[in-house]
Amino acid sequence: AQKITQTQPGMFVQEKEAVTLDCTYDTSDPSYGLFWYKQPSSGEMIFLIYQGSYDQQNATEGRYSLNFQKARKSANLVISASQLGDSAMYFCAMSPRGGGYQKVTFGTGTKLQVIP
Amino acid sequence: EPEVTQTPSHQVTQMGQEVILRCVPISNHLYFYWYRQILGQKVEFLVSFYNNEISEKSEIFDDQFSVERPDGSNFTLKIRSTKLEDSAMYFCASSAWDVPGETQYFGPGTRLLVL
Repeated sequence: AQKITQTQPGMFVQEKEAVTLDCTYDTSDPSYGLFWYKQPSSGEMIFLIYQGSYDQQNATEGRYSLNFQKARKSANLVISASQLGDSAMYFCAMSPRGGGYQKVTFGTGTKLQVIP
Repeated sequence: EPEVTQTPSHQVTQMGQEVILRCVPISNHLYFYWYRQILGQKVEFLVSFYNNEISEKSEIFDDQFSVERPDGSNFTLKIRSTKLEDSAMYFCASSAWDVPGETQYFGPGTRLLVL
């Protein structure tokens, strides 16, 4: 079984500042993927970034980067230069690798509010 | 950019009625999923579907639920006799084996309200 823990129910960040959203995970799968999704108030689920458990480098996608520390089982999301449009719920998620049709397990989310 | 679409965006129904939620996955994706999110709670896996059959289902996905791919583009979730506790946002997702991590891309969701 896989488990995702997000310990920050809510976070505030000043516009243009960087923010780190915490995520720890637990799994017995030898190979897995870690994901972050953004859910604005409108409700849709937007994929942000992916990190494979065997990837040597931390993933980056524009202003998003994933700080992957495998030994600590953490996969924190870093958002640089925060914008007002970044205000949303952020979900950390994971799935086993291989097989194609693996279910994604989500954390409880962190609500980020960007302050002007 | 290709995206998953879902209809309707909102659905209100009476308890005991049947509802069908529709999804059009990304065209070259072969793996399809349904998830639900009860208001204020985390996203929960319901079912995965590949090659015209269910690959995996959760304990939530009981006999009142069914999925179908009636044609080459649509993927549906049917709830046979809705209960109050079925009120939630329902997300369809799709993925492909050749995308990094087989990342699942989600549709905008259908908000279901059971009265």
